[in-house]
Amino acid sequence: EDKVVQSPLSLVVHEGDTVTLNCSYEVTNFRSLLWYKQEKKAPTFLFMLTSSGIEKKSGRLSSILDKKELFSILNITATQTGDSAIYLCAVPTGANSKLTFGKGITLSVRP
Amino acid sequence: DVKVTQSSRYLVKRTGEKVFLECVQDMDHENMFWYRQDPGLGLRLIYFSYDVKMKEKGDIPEGYSVSREKKERFSLILESASTNQTSMYLCASRLIDRAYTGELFFGEGSRLTVL
Repeated sequence: EDKVVQSPLSLVVHEGDTVTLNCSYEVTNFRSLLWYKQEKKAPTFLFMLTSSGIEKKSGRLSSILDKKELFSILNITATQTGDSAIYLCAVPTGANSKLTFGKGITLSVRP
Repeated sequence: DVKVTQSSRYLVKRTGEKVFLECVQDMDHENMFWYRQDPGLGLRLIYFSYDVKMKEKGDIPEGYSVSREKKERFSLILESASTNQTSMYLCASRLIDRAYTGELFFGEGSRLTVL
C-alpha cells in the first residue's frame, strides 16, 4: 500500500528560528513529490520535486528530495508569524496518479 | 490564473438529507478530485475523475458518489448525509502532463455540518 508519512505532526517555534519538516514515502513507481502550504483556506503549491539532490528554493523556503532514502525535507529559515500554517506533502500514486497526501504538519510561529 | 470554484462555502444539513457539492474549474483540466480534510487525518481522497464521465474511487468513497458530465464540473453527492460526514470538503483540478506529475489547484473548500 502506498504511504506518505510526515513528521513531526505539529511544531511550535519562535520567530527567527529555522525549522525542518520531514516527509517520507513508500510508493510504487515514484514520479514526484509535492509540498503545499495551507493557511485558513485552500492549500497553495510550494514545490514539486522529481530529482534527488537538487534543491528547490523560494525565498526563505527550500526543499530537497532523497530518492534513495525515500524522503524529502522542507526547510524554513528565519521563520515569521506568517509561516504559521499546515504544511502538506503529497505523492502521485496509482495508474492515474491520484495524489496521496500525508497528514500534514501544523507549524505555529510565536512572536 | 487557474480558478477552482466551490459553490457553497458553508452548509448545514440534517441527517438523511441529500447533499450536492459543486465544483467548477475554468482551465480545461482533465483531472478533478474531491478530498475531505479532518483534524489529525489530513486530506483523504474520496473520488477522482481522470476525464469526463470517468471516475475512480479514492481511499474513503463509502457514503459518497460523484458525477462528471462536463469537463469543467465535478459534483460530489451525499445520498443520505450522516453526522460523520461533517467535514471540510476540498475540490481540486490538475492539468496532466506526460509524467502525470502536475500540481493540483484547489478550491476554497466547503465546510459541511450535518446535524
